[in-house]
Amino acid sequence: DAGVIQSPRHEVTEMGQEVTLRCKPISGHNSLFWYRQTMMRGLELLIYFNNNVPIDDSGMPEDRFSAKMPNASFSTLKIQPSEPRDSAVYFCASTPTGPQQFFGPGTRLTVL
Amino acid sequence: KQEVTQIPAALSVPEGENLVLNCSFTDSAIYNLQWFRQDPGKGLTSLLLIQSSQREQTSGRLNASLDKSSGRSTLYIAASQPGDSATYLCAVYGEKLTFGTGTRLTIIP
Repeated sequence: DAGVIQSPRHEVTEMGQEVTLRCKPISGHNSLFWYRQTMMRGLELLIYFNNNVPIDDSGMPEDRFSAKMPNASFSTLKIQPSEPRDSAVYFCASTPTGPQQFFGPGTRLTVL
Repeated sequence: KQEVTQIPAALSVPEGENLVLNCSFTDSAIYNLQWFRQDPGKGLTSLLLIQSSQREQTSGRLNASLDKSSGRSTLYIAASQPGDSATYLCAVYGEKLTFGTGTRLTIIP
């Protein structure tokens, strides 16, 4: 298995632009998580899905952030409009039944 | 609100030494605790998962312990190697999943 796949690996955009991050979880995993990592706040859980249904989105910082999981093999995290303070590394992780998480390589987002 | 603290933030030790990394949490109502390593520019790799009913888990040179009552977990690394250099994070599964800020470990050859 290729593991969790994220794209793009790096994204540089200008303030106000829409940004879409993509994640393909490991086949057969039931849950998918989106995280954000910054130097100031460390790793924060933004949202997680179970069987494609959003379960907890209380970590989503603002209405500018939205996440979807249209099927078991694909999820997106969208920021619209983006701001410089959104600059961070965004990780996607998936789990089979049980708590052990498998992380993707992350997307490094820079908003100028 | 759960707070997870890892001290020290950075640690350097000579190769071959045994070492202990610490993780403390404020709310003992947890389900599991997991230790990860993160290499620069990479995602997290799971090392050990301790369920709340367990006191420790071992994998190779790694041993993780959990004391829920005192809100502490330790990760013991035996016979450290340069390849162990990474940032180590603990994550607590309670009402929410909360990560510590990590300890950046450097093993000096």
